[in-house]
Amino acid sequence: GIQVEQSPPDLILQEGANSTLRCNFSDSVNNLQWFHQNPWGQLINLFYIPSGTKQNGRLSATTVATERYSLLYISSSQTTDSGVYFCAVGSNDYKLSFGAGTTVTVRA
Amino acid sequence: KAGVTQTPRYLIKTRGQQVTLSCSPISGHRSVSWYQQTPGQGLQFLFEYFSETQRNKGNFPGRFSGRQFSNSRSEMNVSTLELGDSALYLCASSTQGIQETQYFGPGTRLLVL
Repeated sequence: GIQVEQSPPDLILQEGANSTLRCNFSDSVNNLQWFHQNPWGQLINLFYIPSGTKQNGRLSATTVATERYSLLYISSSQTTDSGVYFCAVGSNDYKLSFGAGTTVTVRA
Repeated sequence: KAGVTQTPRYLIKTRGQQVTLSCSPISGHRSVSWYQQTPGQGLQFLFEYFSETQRNKGNFPGRFSGRQFSNSRSEMNVSTLELGDSALYLCASSTQGIQETQYFGPGTRLLVL
């Protein structure tokens, strides 16, 4: 199956700082999604981004499918951004493969 | 529009028992997929259903099974529970399948004693 690697595994930020999370994948994909898991376990979809760039408020994402990576940018971080960020990819096999996640802690 | 709902939210079972978890997708969504999340293995795909048909199954033993009903609600069953089955079980729904934005439910936390 497709291997998904996320870096860094942990990130500690001061409120207001900017950060970049990375997702590398081992094979061609036609589906890439970024999720945020809050402390209660709920996974919230941030972006569906198999290629290109998207922005949603303070978050933006870029996927370069030909080079097999995606980046998630968090700008002006807030304490509510804390949690685990997951990248998930898929091809044509009706399944999503998740990375191990990046745990983000934003300190006030 | 109501989100994905999962019942029960918390469950405690003992080894050897069986358990059934339920997932109600967003209205109009016909695809339901299931995932197991553990600290050691992370998020792993269990199976995906669309219009009552299983389209893919992850690498789990036969003790893990699922089904989908005509109203798109889905259930998963784990028989002969083992300690290692303790996990957060998440389901997600979408209109056509995994190739679209996935909407996750709050999960069911299963503890096997």
